[in-house]
Amino acid sequence: QVQLVEWGGDVVQPGKSLRLSCTASGFTFSGHAMHWVRQAPGKGPEWVAAISDDGNDKYYADSVKGRFTISRDNSKNTLNLQMNSLRTEDTSLYYCARADCNTIECKRTDYWGLGTLVTVSS
Amino acid sequence: DIQMTQSPSTLSASIGDRVTITCRASQNINRWLAWYQQKPGTAPKLVISVASSLENGVPSRFSGSGSGTEFTLTISSLQPDDLATYYCQQYQSYSLTFGQGTRLEIK
Repeated sequence: QVQLVEWGGDVVQPGKSLRLSCTASGFTFSGHAMHWVRQAPGKGPEWVAAISDDGNDKYYADSVKGRFTISRDNSKNTLNLQMNSLRTEDTSLYYCARADCNTIECKRTDYWGLGTLVTVSS
Repeated sequence: DIQMTQSPSTLSASIGDRVTITCRASQNINRWLAWYQQKPGTAPKLVISVASSLENGVPSRFSGSGSGTEFTLTISSLQPDDLATYYCQQYQSYSLTFGQGTRLEIK
């Protein structure tokens, strides 16, 4: 069955960096676009970034553009999110989510992981 | 960005009731609308996509309708397991955006 396991969340100070990863199993990772979605405590989900199956195409939310970088390693079935210049408003549970097809235009996400918590606080 | 507005924000209903949640988009999204169910402490689960297509394993008491800018999620006969927060999401264009959620409470 499809499994997505995120890790790397931590407590960090504003301005610092953090790298999240998501390990996928149960499906052909290289055949699917992938997304990061976050959810602040008590709030609704917020889409963060997307990447195509081959890693060549990417989209970012305006709130993270220029600070976050999405990437993937298909040889390791791993999705990454490099987060720089973190702000207190980046505090959230970060989910990786599988798109239902391969290109960057595949925006329907059919499976989500359990999330990893990022807390940005001084 | 396309804004998604859900109503009501909280809905209290009894077991067996028919309940309807509305979602409005700030511009035409055709039928590129998904509904997610989120139970406390868990990740959102895709329930309906393309406005009205039920995901595998989702009970048939759930249904979706609409196109353009107005959409609805209906539960025909509310069950205790339906206690959750429901979010609509447009996936017509980036940035993908979610509604603010509707918390469904059992009376």
